Amino acid sequence: QKEVEQNSGPLSVPEGAIASLNCTYSDRGSQSFFWYRQYSGKSPELIMFIYSNGDKEDGRFTAQLNKASQYVSLLIRDSQPSDSATYLCAVNSRGQNFVFGPGTRLSVLP
Amino acid sequence: DTGVSQDPRHKITKRGQNVTFRCDPISEHNRLYWYRQTLGQGPEFLTYFQNEAQLEKSRLLSDRFSAERPKGSFSTLEIQRTEQGDSAMYLCASQQGNQPQHFGDGTRLSIL
Repeated sequence: QKEVEQNSGPLSVPEGAIASLNCTYSDRGSQSFFWYRQYSGKSPELIMFIYSNGDKEDGRFTAQLNKASQYVSLLIRDSQPSDSATYLCAVNSRGQNFVFGPGTRLSVLP
Repeated sequence: DTGVSQDPRHKITKRGQNVTFRCDPISEHNRLYWYRQTLGQGPEFLTYFQNEAQLEKSRLLSDRFSAERPKGSFSTLEIQRTEQGDSAMYLCASQQGNQPQHFGDGTRLSIL
């Protein structure tokens, strides 16, 4: 049974702070890792994806992957109230389906 | 609009009725996925297609659920003899190669 785990939160951070979201996965064969943002009542929206160990930056977002530890994280710098949402981690192995974590609810306080 | 399109957006039906949902993927995407999501949970995989072939179906999926993608383009998901527990958001996503999935807006199903 392939599993993806996330802390359900809520994670509360003040506006302007760094929000750190974590995800662990059980399948060592996983090759692709994705972060989606989901606002209440809406569908998931892709934020970032990462395939290789290390960091990948895109604007205020940084994804970090450590395959040896089976760990992927998302950092959000200069957090804004509009970042308040549920963040979903998804993991994929080549030719197989995607497995999603339960999501972490982030609340950015003005 | 070239995104993933789902229809209807909302469906309310009585228990025991059959329902069918449609998904139109991004045109060049060869993979199409169906998920179910309930409140406070991540999307739960149901099934996926590569072109017209259904390659995987969740073991959690009862035989009341069936999906088709007859010409490798749009897909339908049918639920027969609906039950209260089927109430959820049904999400469709499409993908090309190893690129990320892109989701439609979903169909929210409510069973009375």
